[in-house]
Amino acid sequence: NAGVTQTPKFQVLKTGQSMTLQCAQDMNHEYMSWYRQDPGMGLRLIHYSVGAGITDQGEVPNGYNVSRSTTEDFPLRLLSAAPSQTSVYFCASSYRGVDTQYFGPGTRLTVL
Amino acid sequence: ILNVEQSPQSLHVQEGDSTNFTCSFPSSNFYALHWYRWETAKSPEALFVMTLNGDEKKKGRISATLNTKEGYSYLYIKGSQPEDSATYLCALSNDYKLSFGAGTTVTVRA
Repeated sequence: NAGVTQTPKFQVLKTGQSMTLQCAQDMNHEYMSWYRQDPGMGLRLIHYSVGAGITDQGEVPNGYNVSRSTTEDFPLRLLSAAPSQTSVYFCASSYRGVDTQYFGPGTRLTVL
Repeated sequence: ILNVEQSPQSLHVQEGDSTNFTCSFPSSNFYALHWYRWETAKSPEALFVMTLNGDEKKKGRISATLNTKEGYSYLYIKGSQPEDSATYLCALSNDYKLSFGAGTTVTVRA
């Protein structure tokens, strides 16, 4: 099993550009989520999904969209990148939202 | 979003010494408390999940306890080794969401 995979590993964007961060898992987990990690603030939940076709907002959803068309994939879309979205983004999955989360390797995003 | 505080923010420990640090929470209205270990340039890895007051978990030289009545969990490292250097995250899970503390960064000096 590959576990949770994320692409790309690194990305540099200009303000106003859009892009999609990819996340996939092969563990048949129903629950998937996106976090951002900023210095001194720990991991903050952006969006999550409890199953295909179901998504909901986390703590910091503004500026991000998600969709969940399959159990395996949970892409995160930045609509119009801003410097405040410079961060490291982690995707995670689990059987249920309250269970141990399995994290992907992260995407380091810089917005200029 | 559940409030999770971790202290200290960072600590240095000599190789071979034992150490412990705290995760505190004002409310016990959560399903489970999680501890994760996060090494630099890697992704967080789960250490323990605890759900009941008085729970104790152990993995090698690392152990954790949960006291929901007084609102804290301790993580202990016995006989610290350089490979224990990492950031240790505490998180509470409830209603499909995990709320993380900012972490305690442990540096083990040889």
